[in-house]
Amino acid sequence: DVVMTQSPLSLPVTLGQPASISCRSSQSLVHSDGNTYLNWFQQRPGQSPRRLIYKVSNRDSGVPDRFSGSGSGTDFTLEISSMEAEDVGVYYCMQGTHWPWTFGQGTKVEIK
Amino acid sequence: EVQLVESGGGLVQPGGSLRLSCAASGFTVSSNQLSWVRQAPRKGLEWVSVIYSGGSTNHADSVKGRFTISRDNSKNTLSLQMNSLRVEDTAVYYCVSGWGSWGQGTLVTVSS
Repeated sequence: DVVMTQSPLSLPVTLGQPASISCRSSQSLVHSDGNTYLNWFQQRPGQSPRRLIYKVSNRDSGVPDRFSGSGSGTDFTLEISSMEAEDVGVYYCMQGTHWPWTFGQGTKVEIK
Repeated sequence: EVQLVESGGGLVQPGGSLRLSCAASGFTVSSNQLSWVRQAPRKGLEWVSVIYSGGSTNHADSVKGRFTISRDNSKNTLSLQMNSLRVEDTAVYYCVSGWGSWGQGTLVTVSS
């Protein structure tokens, strides 16, 4: 199975400051069709996960533009340009290139 | 608007069976990739099973031979038949369309 490793696992962030989460995969996430199926999810306390980013850098509808995704191959990053209170939660990267699809361990983002 | 509503969770003894259902609206189940994802208490996310639009399925090794994913096109529902349940199957089970639409989840507790 592809192992997804996130860092840090805990991230205290001051309101208005940027935040960055790293996600590394144990093998390349480039699919044979040429796409890279790397998603980012946000799970607020007590809620279901919500997808923020698909195929590395594409924001889902309704996702604020302070969220951005980047990377390629095995190294990926989620960035929040300016932390807001509603961004508190756990963030997961997930690969959909190789079955079984796998998630990272999650990064808990909180207010500093 | 896509909506997914899970039902069927509850308390079951080890070795028992349970059938989860997911009522879909806003799209037809036969045209989408549909999955079950679970989250054990205070843990991360694990992809359990997927059924593709063409009807083929995949299951995680941890549930292979015990769980079966299926869909009913006439009722526009997704199901997960869970047999030989184990304590470690205790989790909230989410119904997911594609990777972007998630239900609210249903709790399965396996305990004697």
